[in-house]
Amino acid sequence: QVQMKQSGPGLVQPSQSLSITCTVSGFSLTTYGVNWVRQSPGKGLEWLGVIWSGGSTDYNAAFISRLNITKDNSKSQVFFKMNSLQADDTAIYYCVSNFYWYFDVWGAGTTVTVSS
Amino acid sequence: DIQMTQSPSSLSASLGERVSLTCRASQDIGASLNWLQQEPDGTIKRLIYATSSLDSGVPKRFSGSRSGSDYSLTISSLESEDFVDYYCLQFANSPFTFGSGTKLEIK
Repeated sequence: QVQMKQSGPGLVQPSQSLSITCTVSGFSLTTYGVNWVRQSPGKGLEWLGVIWSGGSTDYNAAFISRLNITKDNSKSQVFFKMNSLQADDTAIYYCVSNFYWYFDVWGAGTTVTVSS
Repeated sequence: DIQMTQSPSSLSASLGERVSLTCRASQDIGASLNWLQQEPDGTIKRLIYATSSLDSGVPKRFSGSRSGSDYSLTISSLESEDFVDYYCLQFANSPFTFGSGTKLEIK
């Protein structure tokens, strides 16, 4: 079955970057896309971006200047990188598959705190 | 951006009761709406996709429907594990957007 396993740091210094890896199983990244979503107490759930099966990306315009999503199909890994983090980027970050329709299987989430 | 107005923000109900949650879309999204369930530990699960299709393994007491720009999640008879948070999500147009959530509480 489809699984989304996330790995990444829990603490990021202000102005630094956040990198999270999502390792997928149960489907191929060459066929299906992966979204990134975050949840914070102040802003609720926010869609950040998606990498499609062909490798193209779509980003939420609010984050386009500091967000980069890439992947390695052979390793079944998707890489999320957001730059210039501030305190209001403190949130839980999720990767989510588009295997069966959209947003079907969610990773467990990576809790990220931006603090010095 | 498409705004998803979800109501109520919280709902107090009893075991066995029938409840409905609603999301109103600010623009036409057709059938491009999912319903999500979030547990207290943060785990998120999709319940309904494409407005009214039940995900595999989801109990049949959950159902989704649409009336115009209003989308509803109905739970026909509440069980103890249903008292968690629910969100709608539209994926018709980028940026994809979420409702603000409904917290279902036991009365």
